[in-house]
Amino acid sequence: GAGVSQSPSNKVTEKGKDVELRCDPISGHTALYWYRQSLGQGLEFLIYFQGNSAPDKSGLPSDRFSAERTGGSVSTLTIQRTQQEDSAVYLCASSLATVRTDTQYFGPGTRLTVL
Amino acid sequence: AQSVTQLDSQVPVFEEAPVELRCNYSSSVSVYLFWYVQYPNQGLQLLLKYLSGSTLVESINGFEAEFNKSQTSFHLRKPSVHISDTAEYFCAVSEVANSGYALNFGKGTSLLVTP
Repeated sequence: GAGVSQSPSNKVTEKGKDVELRCDPISGHTALYWYRQSLGQGLEFLIYFQGNSAPDKSGLPSDRFSAERTGGSVSTLTIQRTQQEDSAVYLCASSLATVRTDTQYFGPGTRLTVL
Repeated sequence: AQSVTQLDSQVPVFEEAPVELRCNYSSSVSVYLFWYVQYPNQGLQLLLKYLSGSTLVESINGFEAEFNKSQTSFHLRKPSVHISDTAEYFCAVSEVANSGYALNFGKGTSLLVTP
């Protein structure tokens, strides 16, 4: 079956612009996670969704970052007024349920470059 | 909060040689442990995971990892590597007592297999 998909695969933007990153989880997966992968920082957790609600937003680095999920499926990560330090690969993952033992399946990522 | 340390950022090895990628975590409570692999230009894939039971877990492609509670380690090993094993390997921890469900990743180890 289809895996987790993300779009766009690459995004180049100018400093100060807003960007939206999209994630389509595996069909039927109720849990959805956003991570950020950058040089020197490794993989950092940003936010996760259980259904449409986000119980844990602790990883969002600033109030310029927000995310939503609609219909228990697609999620959008929005970064407002982008800064150069936002440049990274943004990864989305989904799992069948919000159970710690469930495998998280990752998408290919969106590479964001802020000029 | 737990942290994950991958002691080697890069591990060069010749084809058919054995390899060990080291992972240590800091947590005083029960944890679940994971190894993910990221092949060049691909997304993260689960390689193996330890949830409970036997401390030795195996993957389908010959990797194995052993959970050592006393040493808080979860090292990944393979007795004979192939060129195709060249990839970035990430160790991850999920702490049972943590209210969230995010994975806490190490910074990764780049395995380079040469002929």
